[in-house]
Amino acid sequence: QVQVVESGGGVVQPGRSLRLSCAASGFTVSTHGMHWVRQAPGKGLEWVGIISFDGSSIHYADSVRGRFTISRDTSKNTLYLQMNSLRPEDTAVYYCARERPGGWSDFDHWGQGTLVTVSS
Amino acid sequence: QSALTQPASVSGSPGQSITISCTGTSSDVGGYDYVSWYQHHPGKAPKLMIYEVTNRPSGVPDRFSGSKSGNTASLTISGLQAEDEADYYCNSYTSNNTLYVFGTGTKVTVL
Repeated sequence: QVQVVESGGGVVQPGRSLRLSCAASGFTVSTHGMHWVRQAPGKGLEWVGIISFDGSSIHYADSVRGRFTISRDTSKNTLYLQMNSLRPEDTAVYYCARERPGGWSDFDHWGQGTLVTVSS
Repeated sequence: QSALTQPASVSGSPGQSITISCTGTSSDVGGYDYVSWYQHHPGKAPKLMIYEVTNRPSGVPDRFSGSKSGNTASLTISGLQAEDEADYYCNSYTSNNTLYVFGTGTKVTVL
């Protein structure tokens, strides 16, 4: 059964760092592109970034480029989101999502998300 | 990159049909057949309902259908059911620096 489970959220002060994890099961992250998507309180979904299936290509939304880094550990079948220089506007539920097999522009399995709160 | 434009809310009675629009530009919705739709019940994982404008993943009822005309994509729910009450988001690939853009979201209410 395909499943992704996010963890690592919490309360962090502005300017500090936090690393989120996304543990995959039922498939391998080395054969699927993986995305991060976030939803601020009361707001809509916002795409954050992607790492390609082979890890050779990583892209970010303008709002996080230069501050966030996506990586993965294929031996642990886990995706990561390193978030530096956090701002209050980064407060959101962060989801990881798998690219649909055979596609590259849509996301067929999502986790339940992990909440990040940036506040002093 | 601005979010794609969706109506804030749409409502209908059980059994009726509703349509949610998703308006972008020639750099996203109008330029590519890479529009997808997601159903999101608050507190749960979003669910893929339509991909590549018109295609339904396995397990999604055929009451859900997608289409596109110019810079506007649409999701139609026919035979509305109580369990369809949720937030719906469109998404498109974009040629801008941010590769993917979501819509503003539409809350569907079943009266």
